[in-house]
Amino acid sequence: DAGITQSPRHKVTETGTPVTLRCHQTENHRYMYWYRQDPGHGLRLIHYSYGVKDTDKGEVSDGYSVSRSKTEDFLLTLESATSSQTSVYFCAIRRGDGYTFGSGTRLTVV
Amino acid sequence: TQLLEQSPQFLSIQEGENLTVYCNSSSVFSSLQWYRQEPGEGPVLLVTVVTGGEVKKLKRLTFQFGDARKDSSLHITAAQPGDTGLYLCAGAATGGATNKLIFGTGTLLAVQP
Repeated sequence: DAGITQSPRHKVTETGTPVTLRCHQTENHRYMYWYRQDPGHGLRLIHYSYGVKDTDKGEVSDGYSVSRSKTEDFLLTLESATSSQTSVYFCAIRRGDGYTFGSGTRLTVV
Repeated sequence: TQLLEQSPQFLSIQEGENLTVYCNSSSVFSSLQWYRQEPGEGPVLLVTVVTGGEVKKLKRLTFQFGDARKDSSLHITAAQPGDTGLYLCAGAATGGATNKLIFGTGTLLAVQP
């Protein structure tokens, strides 16, 4: 309904492997965000984008990179996954005064 | 670094009771938002408050933004089991064009029938 989908919904990967999470929107919004959610920490901003090929770091960007080659897609890449990156990852788009979130990707690094 | 602290962290109440959740910071925010999150889903926006002292009502939920725009509260009247969830406040940083949100750590509410 919100026009934002994340894939995959669940993933288990091994330490040291690269992982890419995808966020897709259908509404042509300019701002997109990647957050991670961990117990006791709430939602923390990893990276965000303010347009095609325009991205910037958030508060917990180490170990992550992003790309936005099209308005509708915002990719989050873990170049070499570590156990500390086990988390639930949420993508969001800015709509008016608020954000609309995807349903999340639960990533487990073993 | 701007931080938002929520209290209480956990709240378990009986159906029909009233409750208040607090969101506090030492920083000023340009606006404050409240979200509710259910298990396995992303947060869903409930309300945005932008003016110091502003009060907004959404059925049984009342939201208030502090006069100095550093704090906010969410009051629920006659809570129902459907109100169960994680409540998150989020402040929009002042200045800049990106409107990055800073989230509180959340209040987990359980309403028992």
